[in-house]
Amino acid sequence: NAGVTQTPKFQVLKTGQSMTLQCAQDMNHEYMSWYRQDPGMGLRLIHYSVGAGITDQGEVPNGYNVSRSTTEDFPLRLLSAAPSQTSVYFCASSSPRTVRYGYTFGSGTRLTVV
Amino acid sequence: QQQVKQSPQSLIVQKGGISIINCAYENTAFDYFPWYQQFPGKGPALLIAIRPDVSEKKEGRFTISFNKSAKQFSLHIMDSQPGDSATYFCAATKWGAQKLVFGQGTRLTINP
Repeated sequence: NAGVTQTPKFQVLKTGQSMTLQCAQDMNHEYMSWYRQDPGMGLRLIHYSVGAGITDQGEVPNGYNVSRSTTEDFPLRLLSAAPSQTSVYFCASSSPRTVRYGYTFGSGTRLTVV
Repeated sequence: QQQVKQSPQSLIVQKGGISIINCAYENTAFDYFPWYQQFPGKGPALLIAIRPDVSEKKEGRFTISFNKSAKQFSLHIMDSQPGDSATYFCAATKWGAQKLVFGQGTRLTINP
C-alpha cells in the first residue's frame, strides 16, 4: 500500500518561478488537504478538498492554487514563488468513514525559494 | 490567530520518566482531539485521540487527559523511551469535519 505519495521530495526555486507539488493517494479517501510546516508554527492548512471538483481555502491560501479533478490526485500550484513560501509541505488524506484512524500524511516536500 | 496553543516547544526527559505536553483550545465547537507523532523526515502519524465524552484515554504508555471546562488537554507518555524522541502535535476539529487545526508542536528528546 503506497498511501499518500508526494513528489518531489526536495525542490529549490528562484523567486518568481512557478511549480506544482504533486500528491496522490490510493486509499479512495474523499478528503485531501495541503499543510505547510514551519518552525514554531505547527502545521497550517493551505487548501483542502472534500471530493473531486470541490476545493476550499484553509488558513494560509495566498499564493497557492489547487484543483481536484480525480479522487486520487490533489496538486498544489505555486504561481510565483516567494521566499516566504520556503517551508515543508505535507499532503494528507482522510475519509469521513474512517475518522477514527486519522489523517494519512505523505512524507513531505521540502521547498526552498531563493 | 492560533486556535490551539501547545506547550512546551521543546522538552527533554530522562529515560523512564514521564513526558507531559499540554494544549489549550478556544473553539468550543471542537469535539475531536487527536495527537500526532512525527519523526524526522516523515509525515505526522496519528498516535492517540479523544472525544470530550471521556476525561481520559489510555493506549499503552500514552494517555490523553481532557478537561472540557478548562478547554485543555494533555498527552502523558509514561516510562519514556529513546524511541519516543519525536515531534508531537496536538490538534482539534469537529468530528467528521475536514479542517484539522494543529498546535505549534513539541520536540521531545528522551535521554538514555
